[in-house]
Amino acid sequence: NAGVTQTPKFRVLKTGQSMTLLCAQDMNHEYMYWYRQDPGMGLRLIHYSVGEGTTAKGEVPDGYNVSRLKKQNFLLGLESAAPSQTSVYFCASSRRNRLADTQYFGPGTRLTVL
Amino acid sequence: KQEVTQIPAALSVPEGENLVLNCSFTDSAIYNLQWFRQDPGKGLTSLLLIQSSQREQTSGRLNASLDKSSGRSTLYIAASQPGDSATYLCAVSGETSGSRLTFGEGTQLTVNP
Repeated sequence: NAGVTQTPKFRVLKTGQSMTLLCAQDMNHEYMYWYRQDPGMGLRLIHYSVGEGTTAKGEVPDGYNVSRLKKQNFLLGLESAAPSQTSVYFCASSRRNRLADTQYFGPGTRLTVL
Repeated sequence: KQEVTQIPAALSVPEGENLVLNCSFTDSAIYNLQWFRQDPGKGLTSLLLIQSSQREQTSGRLNASLDKSSGRSTLYIAASQPGDSATYLCAVSGETSGSRLTFGEGTQLTVNP
């Protein structure tokens, strides 16, 4: 049982390049999330999904797109990377019970945009 | 908009000391409050979850309390150990945000041998 996995672990991009971050969970969770973590800002929600085929915007969605074609996978795309997107990106998943269920986090992807 | 604040931002204590981390939130209409631990370069690990109808939760040397009406929670760590050194994050999910979490910036704890 791997939990939540993220690929890649590290990436360096040049401004204007594109990339996709992959999140996979093997817990059959309905909900999945993408966060970014920046010094002094805490974790901020980028996009989330409440089920296969659905996505919604979080607090800081600009410059990112997401897709949830399969229940176990949640992809985060950067179409044209900018230095402001240098951050650590975390994926998380949870069950549907919003009262009592915690979120399970992946190990993170450290992205640097030059 | 929900805002979560954690005080202090950093804390350094000698091994064996009991300590308290504080978390406050502005909107009391929450589903639950969670405490997470984050080790350097790692993801977050859930420590305790307190549902809005509960007052506290305990796990080993950790005890978290919730006062929803005043918008406050505390995480009490008994008999601290060097292995407790990490950043502790508080997060709330609210009636207006469903399962989405709003995080504080965390308290960086160092326990010195």
